[in-house]
Amino acid sequence: QVQLVESGGGVVQPGRSLRLSCAASKFTFSNFAMHWVRQAPGKGPEWLAVISSDGNNKYYADSVKGRFTISRDNSKNTLYLQMSSLRVNDTALYYCAREIVKCFVNWGQGTLVTVSS
Amino acid sequence: QSALTQPASVSGSPGQPITISCTGTSSDVGGYNYVSWYQQHPGKAPKVIIYEVSYRPSGVSNRFSGSKSGNTASLTISGLQAEDEAHYYCTSYTSASTWVFGGGTQLTVL
Repeated sequence: QVQLVESGGGVVQPGRSLRLSCAASKFTFSNFAMHWVRQAPGKGPEWLAVISSDGNNKYYADSVKGRFTISRDNSKNTLYLQMSSLRVNDTALYYCAREIVKCFVNWGQGTLVTVSS
Repeated sequence: QSALTQPASVSGSPGQPITISCTGTSSDVGGYNYVSWYQQHPGKAPKVIIYEVSYRPSGVSNRFSGSKSGNTASLTISGLQAEDEAHYYCTSYTSASTWVFGGGTQLTVL
């Protein structure tokens, strides 16, 4: 059973930074592209970023480009999201997801980020 | 990166079929067969129910089916059941190598 466990969320002031992690297990992490998706309270999911299996290709949603950085460490089976210049409207539940054929096949349980002064 | 357009809500009686539409552009839905659909119950992570427009993952009921015509994809649920009451979201791969979600549809089983 594929497992994805996000961590690193919390309460942070506007303008500050935070790094999220996603620990993957029960599959060969280095073979799959991985994504970050967030969901603000009461809203639908919003795709944020993707990283290729080898980490060489990364793409971002316009809403986070230049502020968020996706990365991975295949030796540690871990995906990261470095978030900077956080805004109040970045408040959301942040999910990592495994991609197969352009589809988010597996999701973690999410980690909650609250941006508030 | 505009969100795909879905109806905010649909409803139906048990046993009836319903269809949820998902409209994009030629740069996303119309340009690729990479539309997928997700079911989300309250407090849970989304779960994929359709991928590549019309394929069902193992374990998903065959009451769920997907199709696409031009820039609009559709999810059909035949024989509605109470447990189908949930939010449904479509998503598509785009020409910018990004993904875009629909705004979501709340399905109510009457």
